[in-house]
Amino acid sequence: AQSVTQPDIHITVSEGASLELRCNYSYGATPYLFWYVQSPGQGLQLLLKYFSGDTLVQGIKGFEAEFKRSQSSFNLRKPSVHWSDAAEYFCAVGTWSDMRFGAGTRLTVKP
Amino acid sequence: GAGVSQSPSNKVTEKGKDVELRCDPISGHTALYWYRQSLGQGLEFLIYFQGNSAPDKSGLPSDRFSAERTGGSVSTLTIQRTQQEDSAVYLCASSLDSAYGYTFGSGTRLTVV
Repeated sequence: AQSVTQPDIHITVSEGASLELRCNYSYGATPYLFWYVQSPGQGLQLLLKYFSGDTLVQGIKGFEAEFKRSQSSFNLRKPSVHWSDAAEYFCAVGTWSDMRFGAGTRLTVKP
Repeated sequence: GAGVSQSPSNKVTEKGKDVELRCDPISGHTALYWYRQSLGQGLEFLIYFQGNSAPDKSGLPSDRFSAERTGGSVSTLTIQRTQQEDSAVYLCASSLDSAYGYTFGSGTRLTVV
């Protein structure tokens, strides 16, 4: 069955530190892969996407993600976190008519 | 419009009443999705519309939930005889092609008292 797992419910990092949010999936074929961010009281905003080609993709706000087929993972990274990055992050996996979202990882940024 | 518009942004209703939630997608987007986000939870798929095809209703949690999309544009999600467990944020998204990702609205926060 298709599923998306974000193992970390809540992560706290210091401002300026590096960040990695994990996403693992189970899917029948290589799906489209996305990361979304949801700031408090806001809708979801697309950070980046992968559907083919280079497995390291760049997104907005300095985020990047790497698709690793052998590990069925699509982890989100940022070299230096800013206080404004505090939000909920969702990994999404699927195709045109079957998009699954993870439960989300809440990021807290310490000053 | 420039983005996906949802109304109302907040709705408080009494248990047992019916509610209608509206979504106005981006012009030209043929795909429209409804998701539900409960407190501390991820996004739960509800229903998917693609062009003139029959909608994928596999995510609707009960027969109290229904949705329609008129003219391939505006969609209305209706919840009949609301229950307290229906309290959540209902998110609408539209897409031209899933390869480009979805554009989400800001959601409707439904509170059933």
